[in-house]
Amino acid sequence: AQTVTQSQPEMSVQEAETVTLSCTYDTSESDYYLFWYKQPPSRQMILVIRQEAYKQQNATENRFSVNFQKAAKSFSLKISDSQLGDAAMYFCAYRSAISGGSNYKLTFGKGTLLTVNP
Amino acid sequence: NAGVMQNPRHLVRRRGQEARLRCSPMKGHSHVYWYRQLPEEGLKFMVYLQKENIIDESGMPKERFSAEFPKEGPSILRIQQVVRGDSAAYFCASSPQVGGNSPLHFGNGTRLTVT
Repeated sequence: AQTVTQSQPEMSVQEAETVTLSCTYDTSESDYYLFWYKQPPSRQMILVIRQEAYKQQNATENRFSVNFQKAAKSFSLKISDSQLGDAAMYFCAYRSAISGGSNYKLTFGKGTLLTVNP
Repeated sequence: NAGVMQNPRHLVRRRGQEARLRCSPMKGHSHVYWYRQLPEEGLKFMVYLQKENIIDESGMPKERFSAEFPKEGPSILRIQQVVRGDSAAYFCASSPQVGGNSPLHFGNGTRLTVT
């Protein structure tokens, strides 16, 4: 079974600075997807960024980028120019890409609570 | 295009009562998933349904919990004879297809409190 580990329960960053959230995962599969979701106090789960394991290039979405290290099974999220609105719980998630298996099921880490200080 | 709609947003039940949580997927989405989030935990998969079919209920407790996604109407997660340990946020998600790189679209969740 796949597991996702987020080793930082809480992180803080100054507004306009950069912060990196860590995520490691364990899997025996070679083809999969990785996601970062943001959960603000409103509780809504918002997709921040996703990465296909077969792609070597790291995904980027505006101020959000990932450092995907497949061999190390590491998938960290970097937030540049942090804004007050970035404050939220961030969840890393894994999904298999193997057809016919549980390729619909997301496995989440426990989350990292990010605080942005003005 | 309205997102995934869940109601109620908050639900309070006494021990032993029934809780009924509703989820309307996004338009055009025929795949529905329920996840549970316990305090200070990530979301955990409960069940995956397509119209009128339960595909995978491996994450759902065998007793007291049931889910359905009828041909017409929303998906329903039902918890009978609730206990304090059922207190959690329950999220519904939907997708237009299964697998691939299409992300799940989540609702805002229903927070169930059992007193």
